[in-house]
Amino acid sequence: GAGVSQSPRYKVAKRGQDVALRCDPISGHVSLFWYQQALGQGPEFLTYFQNEAQLDKSGLPSDRFFAERPEGSVSTLKIQRTQQEDSAVYLCASSLATGGNSPLHFGNGTRLTVT
Amino acid sequence: EDQVTQSPEALRLQEGESSSLNCSYTVSGLRGLFWYRQDPGKGPEFLFTLYSAGEEKEKERLKATLTKKESFLHITAPKPEDSATYLCAVQGRQGAQKLVFGQGTRLTINP
Repeated sequence: GAGVSQSPRYKVAKRGQDVALRCDPISGHVSLFWYQQALGQGPEFLTYFQNEAQLDKSGLPSDRFFAERPEGSVSTLKIQRTQQEDSAVYLCASSLATGGNSPLHFGNGTRLTVT
Repeated sequence: EDQVTQSPEALRLQEGESSSLNCSYTVSGLRGLFWYRQDPGKGPEFLFTLYSAGEEKEKERLKATLTKKESFLHITAPKPEDSATYLCAVQGRQGAQKLVFGQGTRLTINP
């Protein structure tokens, strides 16, 4: 079946613009995660959803970052008033179970460049 | 706070030259240690999960092992197609759903 799909693949934004990044998880996957990956670094956790409930948003770097998953499937990560330090790859991942031992399946990410 | 450190940052090997990648971790109650492979421009691809010290898992030329403080990813007789960045991550009991990743080891296998 299809994997995790993210769009757009690339996004260039001028500083101060708002952006919205979309994630389509694997069908039936309950858990959904957003990660931020800077160049040459490992992914860093941003936020976690179980179905439509956002259970952990401790990794969101500022109140300019907002994520939602209103119907428990597709998720959107929104960044308001983008800054240069927001430039990174934003990865979405989903997993089948809510327990801790279900591996994450990642999409190919959205590369955001803020100019 | 859960932490993961991977070494070396980069490793170049000749085809067929075996080696090991290291992942050192500190975690408040390990629920699982994960290895992922990441190719340029792609998302991480799941390889293994290890749950307890002494556990080993194998897949083709890769074998992952786990102790109470570190994990090793052994690569035997690598081929150029094994070139990638290998990421290690832990899942602890606090913040139990999220993975904490290391910075990765960039592996290059020369033909």
